[in-house]
Amino acid sequence: AQKVTQAQTEISVVEKEDVTLDCVYETRDTTYYLFWYKQPPSGELVFLIRRNSFDEQNEISGRYSWNFQKSTSSFNFTITASQVVDSAVYFCALSEARRGGSEKLVFGKGMKLTVNP
Amino acid sequence: NAGVTQTPKFRVLKTGQSMTLLCAQDMNHEYMYWYRQDPGMGLRLIHYSVGEGTTAKGEVPDGYNVSRLKKQNFLLGLESAAPSQTSVYFCASSYRAGGSRFFGPGTRLTVL
Repeated sequence: AQKVTQAQTEISVVEKEDVTLDCVYETRDTTYYLFWYKQPPSGELVFLIRRNSFDEQNEISGRYSWNFQKSTSSFNFTITASQVVDSAVYFCALSEARRGGSEKLVFGKGMKLTVNP
Repeated sequence: NAGVTQTPKFRVLKTGQSMTLLCAQDMNHEYMYWYRQDPGMGLRLIHYSVGEGTTAKGEVPDGYNVSRLKKQNFLLGLESAAPSQTSVYFCASSYRAGGSRFFGPGTRLTVL
């Protein structure tokens, strides 16, 4: 069975601090996809990144970076020089990749990040 | 492009009433999904569709029905609402299995 664990439920930092959000996943599939979503106080879900299981390259997008390590089943997300606008709930998610059939996007329970000025 | 839209944004129902939530997407995506989000539970899949005319049960399908008569629309129905169905409902779409899911803005439903 698939499972996503976000051990941290809430983090509070001061602006300009770096912060890392942990995500550990479980799956028996060899092909799968990992995602991060952001949910700001306004409530919408904003897609941040999708990574397939064959691509272990780290990715950087502006102040955001992601570290995917299959050996530890982790897909951690780092925000560098955090800003108040980064305050949100962040979800890590895992999807199977079954061709032509059903697949679930299993979400972690989310981690609330508060960035204080 | 509007992306994924949901109507209504808010609704209050009395126990036993029925209603339909509408999801529409203009990205020509094959796959569409309905999730509910409850505090401390993350998002849970209610029903999904892999193409026009098809639907399937997700993780928490009881009390809900869905229809996908047109590729761009995915309807979620509650035949007899219960207080346990108070939640925020999100619709999503993706172009293929494992593809990035794009979410609508959500519908906040309260059942009294």
